[in-house]
Amino acid sequence: DAGVIQSPRHEVTEMGQEVTLRCKPISGHDYLFWYRQTMMRGLELLIYFNNNVPIDDSGMPEDRFSAKMPNASFSTLKIQPSEPRDSAVYFCASSFRDTDPGELFFGEGSRLTVL
Amino acid sequence: KNQVEQSPQSLIILEGKNCTLQCNYTVSPFSNLRWYKQDTGRGPVSLTIMTFSENTKSNGRYTATLDADTKQSSLHITASQLSDSASYICVVRYNDYKLSFGAGTTVTVRA
Repeated sequence: DAGVIQSPRHEVTEMGQEVTLRCKPISGHDYLFWYRQTMMRGLELLIYFNNNVPIDDSGMPEDRFSAKMPNASFSTLKIQPSEPRDSAVYFCASSFRDTDPGELFFGEGSRLTVL
Repeated sequence: KNQVEQSPQSLIILEGKNCTLQCNYTVSPFSNLRWYKQDTGRGPVSLTIMTFSENTKSNGRYTATLDADTKQSSLHITASQLSDSASYICVVRYNDYKLSFGAGTTVTVRA
């Protein structure tokens, strides 16, 4: 398997622009997570899905952030409008609960810079 | 307050030397504890998992310990190599599928 695939790897945008990050989880995994990582706060859970259904979005900072998972092989994280404080590395991770509980398989991350 | 505390925040060691990283947690009910290694610019990768009944587990030069009574875990790196330079993150699973992340320890190995 190719692992969790994220795109883009790097994104530089101006404040106020819409940003869409994409994720393809490992085939067969039933959990998908979006994390944000900064130097100050480390890894923070934004939202996670189980079988394409959002389970916990309490980590989503505010209404500017939204996430969707239209099918088992694709998810998006959208920021609209973006702000400089959104600059961070965004990780997508997937997991299969019934085999090795709790192990997350992370993508390479999308580094977002908002000017 | 973070429920998973790691120490030290960072450390520098010479190649070939050993080091130990600490992880203390307060979350409950405990399910398991994982140590992840995150190389610069990459996503974290699981090194080892510790369950309630396990005290010690090794993965090559990495040895993890768990004391479920005191809620402490350690990760020992033996005979460090330059490739061990990374951040090491302690992640505790609790209350079914909740995960709590430590802030990580950044290890720098110098030749």
